[in-house]
Amino acid sequence: ETGVTQSPTHLIKTRGQQVTLRCSSQSGHNTVSWYQQALGQGPQFIFQYYREEENGRGNFPPRFSGLQFPNYSSELNVNALELDDSALYLCASSLPGASASGELFFGEGSRLTVL
Amino acid sequence: AQSVTQLDSQVPVFEEAPVELRCNYSSSVSVYLFWYVQYPNQGLQLLLKYLSGSTLVKGINGFEAEFNKSQTSFHLRKPSVHISDTAEYFCAVNPDSGYSTLTFGKGTMLLVSP
Repeated sequence: ETGVTQSPTHLIKTRGQQVTLRCSSQSGHNTVSWYQQALGQGPQFIFQYYREEENGRGNFPPRFSGLQFPNYSSELNVNALELDDSALYLCASSLPGASASGELFFGEGSRLTVL
Repeated sequence: AQSVTQLDSQVPVFEEAPVELRCNYSSSVSVYLFWYVQYPNQGLQLLLKYLSGSTLVKGINGFEAEFNKSQTSFHLRKPSVHISDTAEYFCAVNPDSGYSTLTFGKGTMLLVSP
């Protein structure tokens, strides 16, 4: 059974650019959530996808958007990058019932640096 | 809305000593409670959870936590720590209905030295 995998592991962008981060969920998991973890902070909920639709969203602007594909993999897109977007972006997958009870399986994250 | 306060940003402790990592939460609705651990350069791993029932919950690696509703606390304990327990520990809450929108604390770095 493969776990949650994310790519790329590290990347560097400049202000104003756009970035796409990718996530493959754990086998059998059809719900994917994305979190932003700034340095020295706990993860913050960005949004969740279930059956290819956004199922909930945190306090992030519209330039943060996502997709979920039929194979349950997911993308996080961030447009017009700002310096404060520098963070570790974590993807987490879960089964629907387990998602509601917080049983999330996290990937190792994509570390984004915006210069 | 929910919030989580982890009272200590860093807890240094010697190997084989007991440890307690403190967590308090605030919520207007019933919540589920969790502790996650993050080892260096890795993602988060679920350590234990409280959904209902017994207020003392046991998790992996010898950790346990006690839910105290009156004090809105969910402190994490281990009677004897190992060097390998050195990691960042996050307390989190989730409303007990709907989809998961975990609210995390800022984390506590547990530093175990020989």
